[in-house]
Amino acid sequence: DGGITQSPKYLFRKEGQNVTLSCEQNLNHDAMYWYRQDPGQGLRLIYYSQIVNDFQKGDIAEGYSVSREKKESFPLTVTSAQKNPTAFYLCASSIRSGSTEAFFGQGTRLTVV
Amino acid sequence: DAKTTQPPSMDCAEGRAANLPCNHSTISGNEYVYWYRQIHSQGPQYIIHGLKNNETNEMASLIITEDRKSSTLILPHATLRDTAVYYCIVREINTGNQFYFGTGTSLTVIP
Repeated sequence: DGGITQSPKYLFRKEGQNVTLSCEQNLNHDAMYWYRQDPGQGLRLIYYSQIVNDFQKGDIAEGYSVSREKKESFPLTVTSAQKNPTAFYLCASSIRSGSTEAFFGQGTRLTVV
Repeated sequence: DAKTTQPPSMDCAEGRAANLPCNHSTISGNEYVYWYRQIHSQGPQYIIHGLKNNETNEMASLIITEDRKSSTLILPHATLRDTAVYYCIVREINTGNQFYFGTGTSLTVIP
């Protein structure tokens, strides 16, 4: 089945540690996105990539890093520089342009203690 | 910048139509209107999208005003499983701009 997979679903880390969240898609989509969601809030864009080896900052990129070495994969690293990393992280993918929807993964809930 | 305005919450009786409004007064000619919904702690689910004509699929109908400054998502017969946060989004289609989400409308379907 085609889809977008995030792993793990729940992740716990100690403060000061970097952590990488996985996002894989087999939809042959060029564009991929990372969003952060805090309790009771909407989704805020962290980074997006429209093509392999290229990505742009979203509204809240500070303290995060990404890579796009393969079309299928867009991992997000939450660095120790992120002041409030505990959140729900969502990955999405879409065709680069045109009137088509984005498909979302089921999210990773990161808790930093 | 979300570019859309939605009421924060709404209630709807089970079996009745749920009409969710969205204002997008600054929408440009090549921007589509998309609707997604999110059930607690899950990824958003695509519902429907349109440019200027009304659209209908198996989940919902989308009514866009003639001036395109507002739209309404209609769930014709709401069920308890339709309780979710509904997001209205505008997206420019030619340059592959990202999907900007606002805070959405929390719909509660009441038995």
